[in-house]
Amino acid sequence: QKEVEQDPGPLSVPEGAIVSLNCTYSNSAFQYFMWYRQYSRKGPELLMYTYSSGNKEDGRFTAQVDKSSKYISLFIRDSQPSDSATYLCAMISNTNAGKSTFGDGTTLTVKP
Amino acid sequence: SAVISQKPSRDICQRGTSLTIQCQVDSQVTMMFWYRQQPGQSLTLIATANQGSEATYESGFVIDKFPISRPNLTFSTLTVSNMSPEDSSIYLCSVEEDGPGQPQHFGDGTRLSIL
Repeated sequence: QKEVEQDPGPLSVPEGAIVSLNCTYSNSAFQYFMWYRQYSRKGPELLMYTYSSGNKEDGRFTAQVDKSSKYISLFIRDSQPSDSATYLCAMISNTNAGKSTFGDGTTLTVKP
Repeated sequence: SAVISQKPSRDICQRGTSLTIQCQVDSQVTMMFWYRQQPGQSLTLIATANQGSEATYESGFVIDKFPISRPNLTFSTLTVSNMSPEDSSIYLCSVEEDGPGQPQHFGDGTRLSIL
């Protein structure tokens, strides 16, 4: 079983929709929770990160962490065609020399 | 955030040859990481490179196949040796910009195809 499981895609939504991207994890030692956005032919771009349970908001993006349920989500409000990309969740353990563990990614398409 | 530049951005190589990928960062960083991302898949860590010491390789990756250099705090190279079609992938370097155990930032990768 993988340490990080990400909801598979692809996901296709109309412009303006609210998007929910989700990951679960099994390692209680994970302490940093990140979301990366990867456009085609580009490297992953760090979108948001947090280290505590609760919500963190940045513009149209909200990262949610529930450590008790080992579940994280990224919400995108008022989705735009420019949000079309692959989204990767990632986590850092405090017991594994700071290495990141990545989900498999969810490809999102926002249709105008 | 740090600017991470990789060269080449893409290449097509013949099997049996070797290619060296360069990663340059515009600020000094302690750790640099090399990943492989196969088509439609997530990132797999190849090795961690710390300046002044041998790289640390993950299970399934060996120094003879993926030699790494880290001559200073802003530069690293990854060589893919004796390439086969199975090595066709995107190779990415990353850095911990804000210190050890912090989220990593990535370059745009090198897209490698082996014929």
